[in-house]
Amino acid sequence: NFVLTQPHSVSESPGRTVIISCTRSSGRIGSDSVHWYQQRPGAAPTSVIYEDSQRPSGVPDRFSGSVDRSSNSASLTISDLRPEDEADYFCQSSTRTNKIVFGGGTKLTVL
Amino acid sequence: EVSLVESGGGLVKPGGSLRLTCTGSGFTFHDHFINWVRQAPGKGPEWVSSISSTSYLLFYADSVRGRFTISRDNSRNSVFLLMTGLRVEDTARYFCVRDAQSLGDRTHWLDPWGQGTMVTVSS
Repeated sequence: NFVLTQPHSVSESPGRTVIISCTRSSGRIGSDSVHWYQQRPGAAPTSVIYEDSQRPSGVPDRFSGSVDRSSNSASLTISDLRPEDEADYFCQSSTRTNKIVFGGGTKLTVL
Repeated sequence: EVSLVESGGGLVKPGGSLRLTCTGSGFTFHDHFINWVRQAPGKGPEWVSSISSTSYLLFYADSVRGRFTISRDNSRNSVFLLMTGLRVEDTARYFCVRDAQSLGDRTHWLDPWGQGTMVTVSS
């Protein structure tokens, strides 16, 4: 199985842009979809990006996702940061044997 | 509205058992994979188990295989997780989560998540 590594925390000011990375330890990042979830304190996770770069309905276009095969990583970009974006963000992918793998999570602080 | 509701959590002693129930509504339940994902306090999510729409395919994390059993009853729009031989390290909130897609190749996109039920294993 592979590991998905995320930065423990990031912080940025309102109105700025933040990028959260998710690096796959082995195997190709593009071989299985990457999904991203937001989790506010005390709440269940909700989907913000699916299949690398797709936005679920209701998620603002300030959220975008991408995959970089050269670094074997996926990224979640949040632009025009707002206080309500402050949350934990988790990436998730899967193995060919149908195991689901989560990243350790990144705590986003909007200063 | 698509919804999943979990129940059955509680306090149990090490070595004990619990049966969690997940009930879905607002979608064609029997078309979707359903998963259990747990989250220990202050930690990230950890996948536990998945069951296919017809119960033909069952998948387990290595940490629970042989101790946990997933099953479903589509007539009751429900999925169950029978947990035996519980350990202190199984303490977590257990979320029921739907595979968002029902058709085509599985991408393991999980949506929505239930609110979870807390399981505490302690003597």
